[in-house]
Amino acid sequence: QLQLQESGPGLVKPSETLSLSCTVSGVSISSGSHYWGWIRQPPGKRPEWLGSVFYGGNTYYDPALISRATISVDTSKNLFSLKLNSVTTADTAVYYCVRQTSGMVIDYWGQGTLVTVSS
Amino acid sequence: DIQMTQSPSSLSASVGDRVTITCRASQGISNYVAWFQQKPGKAPKSLIYAASSLQGGVPSRFSGSGSGTDFTLTINTLQPEDFATYYCQQYNSHPFTFGPGTRVDIK
Repeated sequence: QLQLQESGPGLVKPSETLSLSCTVSGVSISSGSHYWGWIRQPPGKRPEWLGSVFYGGNTYYDPALISRATISVDTSKNLFSLKLNSVTTADTAVYYCVRQTSGMVIDYWGQGTLVTVSS
Repeated sequence: DIQMTQSPSSLSASVGDRVTITCRASQGISNYVAWFQQKPGKAPKSLIYAASSLQGGVPSRFSGSGSGTDFTLTINTLQPEDFATYYCQQYNSHPFTFGPGTRVDIK
């Protein structure tokens, strides 16, 4: 049974870097033709796709975040990560990691983790 | 970016009702639409992809249709566990975007 689990600090100061990891269990992150992505949802708002990575290296980002976001894969630990630098209060949200098919269909979600940007 | 809109923004319904939610894309996206269900404090759950294909384990009372710019999610015989917020999402082109959601609550 595939499971995704986000981890990372729940509080980040403005201008600093938000760093989250998503540990994948039940399947090897490098075994198939899936993408691994990040989605966030600000309080009371719709979800926002941030970006997706393929273990082989292809990465896609929301153009609005491309200068601040980095998504990477660590196959040795079977996890993928998100770094978002120069955060502001607008980056406060629940962050979800997801699995996407090769056609970019989201089929699995992590439970989500709330990240608050505040001094 | 492709903009997704949904109507209505909320609706009240009773158990056993048939519910239809509409989603519209700002440009043609073929059938690259997915639907998600989200309950308060929980992660979204994937229901439908490719406009009309059910994800594994999703009850058959859920169905989707549409192509191009107009899409619908239908829930036949609404069950108590179906009261939630529903989002459509396009994955035709980056950045993948979501609709604003439709809240379905109990009449």
